[in-house]
Amino acid sequence: GPKVLQIPSHQIIDMGQMVTLNCDPVSNHLYFYWYKQILGQQMEFLVNFYNGKVMEKSKLFKDQFSVERPDGSYFTLKIQPTALEDSAVYFCASSGQGGDTEVFFGKGTRLTVV
Amino acid sequence: GEQVEQLPSILRVQEGSSASINCSYEDSASNYFPWYKQEPGENPKLIIDIRSNMERKQIQELIVLLDKKAKRFSLHITDTQPGDSAMYFCAASSNNRIFFGDGTQLVVKP
Repeated sequence: GPKVLQIPSHQIIDMGQMVTLNCDPVSNHLYFYWYKQILGQQMEFLVNFYNGKVMEKSKLFKDQFSVERPDGSYFTLKIQPTALEDSAVYFCASSGQGGDTEVFFGKGTRLTVV
Repeated sequence: GEQVEQLPSILRVQEGSSASINCSYEDSASNYFPWYKQEPGENPKLIIDIRSNMERKQIQELIVLLDKKAKRFSLHITDTQPGDSAMYFCAASSNNRIFFGDGTQLVVKP
């Protein structure tokens, strides 16, 4: 089936440094999402993105966070600077037609901020 | 954004019995309700979904019910097996936004 690829699968970074999480969504999908999950618990919505723009972001999407998809390549989540509480698994997702069609998730990037 | 409440947080059942997870939502514009299963270390995978024009949907041992008036929806797993043990998330979607419940850890005891 369709796959969302996330690179890297694990990332360890020093607090205060910048990190970029990369996502290769399902080809021809138009809607992209980032979710944050701590310790296999809640899936918390961060942001959704369509047509080159952020459509909606949650309170968790701090000023240090940014997303972009330059030239239709990877959909990226950048955190600059990182904080200890940013440690989590970040899931990228994509869907073809928006909110009422299946959303496919990548396998996540486990980010550890030390 | 949408608030989705999911209960229970942990559900332990005996193999062969049924399991039920209940969710409620606030936004009456929500029109799509997927259910995801997540196994440890894996990504969430869609197992069944229902749209607002339906009240009931069944895929094999999975049954979802939707009560739009009460803004409630539920997942029922009949004849549970140990392989059903996982985290389950309900979600509600409207206007390209998908919000998840807090998850239910289902444990099926042999």
